[in-house]
Amino acid sequence: AQSVAQPEDQVNVAEGNPLTVKCTYSVSGNPYLFWYVQYPNRGLQFLLKYITGDNLVKGSYGFEAEFNKSQTSFHLKKPSALVSDSALYFCAVRLSRSGNTGKLIFGQGTTLQVKP
Amino acid sequence: GAVVSQHPSRVICKSGTSVKIECRSLDFQATTMFWYRQFPKQSLMLMATSNEGSKATYEQGVEKDKFLINHASLTLSTLTVTSAHPEDSSFYICSAPEGTEAFFGQGTRLTVV
Repeated sequence: AQSVAQPEDQVNVAEGNPLTVKCTYSVSGNPYLFWYVQYPNRGLQFLLKYITGDNLVKGSYGFEAEFNKSQTSFHLKKPSALVSDSALYFCAVRLSRSGNTGKLIFGQGTTLQVKP
Repeated sequence: GAVVSQHPSRVICKSGTSVKIECRSLDFQATTMFWYRQFPKQSLMLMATSNEGSKATYEQGVEKDKFLINHASLTLSTLTVTSAHPEDSSFYICSAPEGTEAFFGQGTRLTVV
C-alpha cells in the first residue's frame, strides 16, 4: 500500500535552533514530494516541492528539504527556528505516473512547537 | 501561485438542515478538485474527487447521498452536506491541482448544533 509517514506527532525546538521534521514514503514509481504548513483554522500553505533534479530543495520562509531516494525520505529542515514557525506540518506525495489526477497522499502531520 | 477560494470560512447550522460549501479556482481552470475532511490535529482525509462534467468519485466509506458534490464549471465545485448531524461537524478543505502543485482553499469550519 502506498503511504506517507511522519513518525513524530510533535517536535519541540528552541527559537534559534535548527529544526527537522521527518517524512518517509512508500510509493511505487517516482513520486512528487511536497511539504505544506497549516495554521489553526486555515487551509494548507505550500512550502516546497521536489519533482526532479537537485536533492536539496529550498522553499518558502527559509525552509528546505532533502530528498533521499535510497532512504525514501524527504525531511523538512530549517537552520534557525522562529516562534512564528509553530504550526502543523504535512508531508505529501503525488504519484507522477500518467493518468494521475493530482491526488495527494498525506502524512499524519507533525506539530512544530518553537519556544522562545 | 494559483488561488483557490473557499466559502464560507465558518458556518453553524441546525441538525437536519443542509449546508453548501463552495470552492473556486480564481485564476486557473480545474477539471478536477478534491474535497478533504480534517478532524482536530489530524491529517486530511480525502472524501471525494470532483470531476467537471461528470460524477464525483467518492472514497470508500463516504456516503455520496450525504455529501453531494457538483462540479458545475471549470472553476467551481460545491460540497453540500445534507441533513447535517453533529457528527458532521468538522473542518472541510478543498484543493485543485495546477501543474505539478495542489492549491488549497482556506477551509470551512462546520458546526452542527
